[in-house]
Amino acid sequence: GIQVEQSPPDLILQEGANSTLRCNFSDSVNNLQWFHQNPWGQLINLFYIPSGTKQNGRLSATTVATERYSLLYISSSQTTDSGVYFCAVGASGTYKYIFGTGTRLKVLA
Amino acid sequence: EPEVTQTPSHQVTQMGQEVILRCVPISNHLYFYWYRQILGQKVEFLVSFYNNEISEKSEIFDDQFSVERPDGSNFTLKIRSTKLEDSAMYFCAGRESSYNEQFFGPGTRLTVL
Repeated sequence: GIQVEQSPPDLILQEGANSTLRCNFSDSVNNLQWFHQNPWGQLINLFYIPSGTKQNGRLSATTVATERYSLLYISSSQTTDSGVYFCAVGASGTYKYIFGTGTRLKVLA
Repeated sequence: EPEVTQTPSHQVTQMGQEVILRCVPISNHLYFYWYRQILGQKVEFLVSFYNNEISEKSEIFDDQFSVERPDGSNFTLKIRSTKLEDSAMYFCAGRESSYNEQFFGPGTRLTVL
């Protein structure tokens, strides 16, 4: 089945810094989402982005489906950005999501 | 904005007991999913449900698990005889079509003692 790898696994930033999180996948996909898992365990939808670029405030995401990767950019990070970021992909011919192993982000005040 | 709801938020049960986890998806969604996340690990797919039947299931979803959409609004996951290793956060999700975003509920934390 499709493999989804995220990097880096852990990231520590000072408040105000920028960061780029990466998601690589091993096969073509029809669906891709980025989530933020908050300290209460809830999965917060950030972007649905099977291709192209989207922006929402300080966050933006780009997926290059032909090269099998997606990037999540966080600018001017805040302590509330801390948590785990997951990408989830839906491979061709299937409805389910396969999640990556996540990037654990800690933003220090 | 409509959202997916799940009850209970936390369930504690004894090994061998049956549990039913409940979800109310967004009303215009047609595709439904259960996922689980063991503490500290990634989220894993369990089962997808469309047109009142299972469309796909993972190896985790064995005979101890079942899903139902009994009344057109609730979507349930039943575990017949819980094991210690069933302890996890269980997420329900739904979507309108197979090519748009999935909306996740807040999860039910299941603890099996």
